[in-house]
Amino acid sequence: GDSVTQMEGPVTLSEEAFLTINCTYTATGYPSLFWYVQYPGEGLQLLLKATKADDKGSNKGFEATYRKETTSFHLEKGSVQVSDSAVYFCALSDARYSSASKIIFGSGTRLSIRP
Amino acid sequence: GAVVSQHPSRVICKSGTSVKIECRSLDFQATTMFWYRQFPKKSLMLMATSNEGSKATYEQGVEKDKFLINHASLTLSTLTVTSAHPEDSSFYICSARVGQGGHPQHFGDGTRLSIL
Repeated sequence: GDSVTQMEGPVTLSEEAFLTINCTYTATGYPSLFWYVQYPGEGLQLLLKATKADDKGSNKGFEATYRKETTSFHLEKGSVQVSDSAVYFCALSDARYSSASKIIFGSGTRLSIRP
Repeated sequence: GAVVSQHPSRVICKSGTSVKIECRSLDFQATTMFWYRQFPKKSLMLMATSNEGSKATYEQGVEKDKFLINHASLTLSTLTVTSAHPEDSSFYICSARVGQGGHPQHFGDGTRLSIL
C-alpha cells in the first residue's frame, strides 16, 4: 500500500543553519503531498502542500518540491530560527478524487534549533 | 481561514467514566472529519473517518463500541470514549476536510485525555 518514509530524528541545528528533512513516498496513484508541523502540546498545522509533479509548495520560508521521478518531497529552509523547533510530518493523500481518501503520515521528524 | 476547534483541550477523569470530545469547523463546512490518536513521540494513528449523516468508518483494530463517533452536521463531530480506562489515556486529535482527497485536512489542537 501507499506509504511515507521520512528522515529519522531528532535533528538539532544552530540558528540560521540550512535545513533539509528528507521525505520519500510510495503510491499507486497520483497523490497530493503535504508537510505538517506540530508544536508541543498542539495539533497539526498545514505548512505547505503540492498537488502534482513539479509543484513547489512554500510557506514561512519553507519549501518542498513534488518530484515524481524520485518520489520525493524534501522540506528545506535556508535559515532556521529557534521558533521553528517542532515536529514535522510528511504526508500524502492516498486518492485525490475520492471523498474516502485518507492522509498517510510519515513517522515525524523532531527538529530542535539552538540559539 | 480553515479553523478547527477541539474541546476540551484536557480531560482528567476516573476509570469507568465516559468522555465526549467535540470537533468543530468554525469557518467552513467539512465534508469529512477524521479522528486520530497520538502516542508520545509517535505519529498519528487514524481511528476513524466520518461523513456528515452517515456512520463512521473505523480503522482495523479500533473498537467502534468503545469509541463512538457522531457526525451530526457539517461543522460538528464528536468522539465519545465509553467507560474509559487508563489504557485509553492518550492525545486525541480531530481534523476536517472540505472536498476530496487532494484537499488538505485541517487539525484541531488536540485533547489530552488522562484516565486515573
